[in-house]
Amino acid sequence: DTGVSQDPRHKITKRGQNVTFRCDPISEHNRLYWYRQTLGQGPEFLTYFQNEAQLEKSRLLSDRFSAERPKGSFSTLEIQRTEQGDSAMYLCASSSRGRRQETQYFGPGTRLLVL
Amino acid sequence: AQKVTQAQTEISVVEKEDVTLDCVYETRDTTYYLFWYKQPPSGELVFLIRRNSFDEQNEISGRYSWNFQKSTSSFNFTITASQVVDSAVYFCALRRSNTGNQFYFGTGTSLTVIP
Repeated sequence: DTGVSQDPRHKITKRGQNVTFRCDPISEHNRLYWYRQTLGQGPEFLTYFQNEAQLEKSRLLSDRFSAERPKGSFSTLEIQRTEQGDSAMYLCASSSRGRRQETQYFGPGTRLLVL
Repeated sequence: AQKVTQAQTEISVVEKEDVTLDCVYETRDTTYYLFWYKQPPSGELVFLIRRNSFDEQNEISGRYSWNFQKSTSSFNFTITASQVVDSAVYFCALRRSNTGNQFYFGTGTSLTVIP
């Protein structure tokens, strides 16, 4: 499978706990994106990496959220002190250089439920 | 500001009927990209098509066709002879060309094809 992969696929946690999600992009893609999707809505942009540099962050990304891409390959998204409002699907996408860089390919998502 | 509107929240059709999903967008950019993604119940967003703002040629791919009209800021998607496997949520998205890499998604249209 050469698509974008995410782990875990599902996560249930109690309010106040920290959670970390992982995304492995398509291997030759240098750009990586995180989105959040709540029920009945389209995905909302959270942050974007080009290689290891985090170049954009949405104001949706509060201080409790942090994302890293230390070696320009996989990325992690951590949520500290989770709140019930953090319950959502967290989607990762990647895109490549060149003419095809405009197209983002999405992973299966991590569904988070905060109790 | 960028905005994508998918006015149809839910559509139901009987198998083999044709169905058109509407997408209207707003942007002040002269160059931009438009996309359609399919999200089946499994949750993964599947890329269907990308159009550049300077290319208004309509496109057909099998049972899928897309009608891009800059004059009305619309990028509609038609499925011909619908099948049960077409049942999914379909998202239209806009990407600006030179400022930022985030996608602006509509709220999606849930299509149910009844056998």
